[in-house]
Amino acid sequence: DQQVKQNSPSLSVQEGRISILNCDYTNSMFDYFLWYKKYPAEGPTFLISISSIKDKNEDGRFTVFLNKSAKHLSLHIVPSQPGDSAVYFCAVGYNFNKFYFGSGTKLNVKP
Amino acid sequence: GAVVSQHPSRVICKSGTSVKIECRSLDFQATTMFWYRQFPKQSLMLMATSNEGSKATYEQGVEKDKFLINHASLTLSTLTVTSAHPEDSSFYICSASGAAFNRGQFDQPQHFGDGTRLSIL
Repeated sequence: DQQVKQNSPSLSVQEGRISILNCDYTNSMFDYFLWYKKYPAEGPTFLISISSIKDKNEDGRFTVFLNKSAKHLSLHIVPSQPGDSAVYFCAVGYNFNKFYFGSGTKLNVKP
Repeated sequence: GAVVSQHPSRVICKSGTSVKIECRSLDFQATTMFWYRQFPKQSLMLMATSNEGSKATYEQGVEKDKFLINHASLTLSTLTVTSAHPEDSSFYICSASGAAFNRGQFDQPQHFGDGTRLSIL
């Protein structure tokens, strides 16, 4: 039973435009949410996080939005750059401990 | 920032062999370590959570006797894949967390190693 879903396996965006990656979760107990970027054969690299007490967190070109009622979070990258091309995973957890990952979205930013 | 070292990065061995993967926290005390497994084009699947000095907690469907986890110190956890078979071939990743994370010294709750690619022939 999947706790976290990323329904878009891939996304292609032109350089300079906005990339929007989406993630849905099932358990309203989750209280901490993260986005990771991953290259093949490497461990995930942390991008940005948000706790359940907020609905938005911004860090440079990256913004995470949390909609608790819809159990949905999204990652916005503006402007997108070719170096952003990677697989992006959302992760959700509670008690700041165990986290569950979505299946990932492969982002391709075209020059 | 926090550094987690995972070794080896790649293992190729024959079916029936037992393989040990190490996960070390280099600059912080990791009270908790997590082991994940990733199949091609799929998600990171949490296998087990290990707390220093106690038995690991395994996720549903993960065989405890197949995947032995030891977390004997605050800087080292090991995953041993016993009597490995081709279906155990996968990418295994560890992550580590500790009190420093909970105090807000780091901006993420756990820090990942670079993973181990296990191939069983």
